[in-house]
Amino acid sequence: EVQLVESGGGLVQPGGSLRLSCAASGFSFRGFSMSWVRQAPGKGLEWVAIMDEYGNGIRYVDSVKGRFTISRDNAKNSLYLLMNSLRAEDTAVYYCARPRGCSTATCPTHFDYWGQGNLVTVSA
Amino acid sequence: QSALTQPASVSGSPGQSITISCTGTSSDIGTYNYVSWYQHHPGKAPKLMIYEVRNRPSGVPDRFSGSKSGNTASLTISGLQAEDEADYYCSSYRSTSSSVTFGGGTKLTVL
Repeated sequence: EVQLVESGGGLVQPGGSLRLSCAASGFSFRGFSMSWVRQAPGKGLEWVAIMDEYGNGIRYVDSVKGRFTISRDNAKNSLYLLMNSLRAEDTAVYYCARPRGCSTATCPTHFDYWGQGNLVTVSA
Repeated sequence: QSALTQPASVSGSPGQSITISCTGTSSDIGTYNYVSWYQHHPGKAPKLMIYEVRNRPSGVPDRFSGSKSGNTASLTISGLQAEDEADYYCSSYRSTSSSVTFGGGTKLTVL
């Protein structure tokens, strides 16, 4: 059974930093691209970042470029999101998700597995 | 404002059918057959219900079906059951962002 479990969220002040982790199990983690998706309170889902299975092919949504860094450790079956210079508008539940369709230019086409999410609150 | 437009809510009685629409543009739904639908019970992991417009992952009941016409995609749930009550999100690959874009979500209430 595929499982994705996020951790590391919490309350942080504006301008602060936080690192989210995602522990993967039930599949060959090193063979798949991975992604982060977030949902702000009362809003829809928003794709945040993606990385291929080799740690390359990194892309971000414009609103987090230069502030967030996605990374992975295939030996630990783990995905990470380092968030710096956090803003109130980054407040959201952050989901780890497995993207598909990433062998083509139209990557990702969808996400076939998701974690339960981890809340990040940016507030003074 | 989300890039894809969904109705905020829909409702139906057990056994009935409902359809949720998802309207985009020629940069996403109108050009690509990469429309997907997700079911989300609050506090749980979102679940993929439909991908590539009309394909169901293994384990998803055939009561769930997807379609597309022009810039609008649709999710139809037939034979509504109490456990179908959830939030539903559509998404599509979008050329202008080179990634997926999501709808704002539709709350399905089973009366």
